[in-house]
Amino acid sequence: GQNIDQPTEMTATEGAIVQINCTYQTSGFNGLFWYQQHAGEAPTFLSYNVLDGLEEKGCFSSFLSRSKGYSYILLKELQMKDSASYLCAAMDSSYKLIFGSGTRLLVRP
Amino acid sequence: DAMVIQNPRYQVTQFGKPVTLSCSQTLNHNVMYWYQQKSSQAPKLLFHYYDKDFNNEADTPDNFQSRRPNTSFCFLDIRSPGLGDAAMYLCATSRDQGTGANVLTFGAGSRLTVL
Repeated sequence: GQNIDQPTEMTATEGAIVQINCTYQTSGFNGLFWYQQHAGEAPTFLSYNVLDGLEEKGCFSSFLSRSKGYSYILLKELQMKDSASYLCAAMDSSYKLIFGSGTRLLVRP
Repeated sequence: DAMVIQNPRYQVTQFGKPVTLSCSQTLNHNVMYWYQQKSSQAPKLLFHYYDKDFNNEADTPDNFQSRRPNTSFCFLDIRSPGLGDAAMYLCATSRDQGTGANVLTFGAGSRLTVL
């Protein structure tokens, strides 16, 4: 079957760094997406990885290991507005996105 | 700004009373999707259109139907809503399907309440 696992909740302090992990199992693989979703709002695109390694995007980075079925997003210099759910989604062989349930991040002062 | 617009944002209906949710896009994207998202759960794909080709997910109940009369618009019809259909319904578009082209742009969602 197809499965995406990520922690349900995480807490971090303003100004700190947090890493949100995701493991995936899909029928074929065409890349890994991260979306941010504030409560009651639509998901917004953060990153897409299809090759192994780390991609830097300024205030965050995203990592992928295809052999391990593993990805993470690293959020740096956390701000209160970064409190949101972070959805991991893997694209399967038919280009369909399989979403995880999301990691709810709470940033505290 | 190019975007994906969903109406209504909030819909309250009675058990069994049909509901139609709409989605429009100004991105000229080929693919339009409908997702159902219940509280603290993953968005679940109901169906998608690649241009005019309709693709239903195997586990999408018959109670859910969709129409795409033109490139810009897509509708979700729930023929007889049950209490279990209360959820946020997200419309999304992508330029195409395939590696790199499948970045989804989501609308703000339509939150359905069933009384």
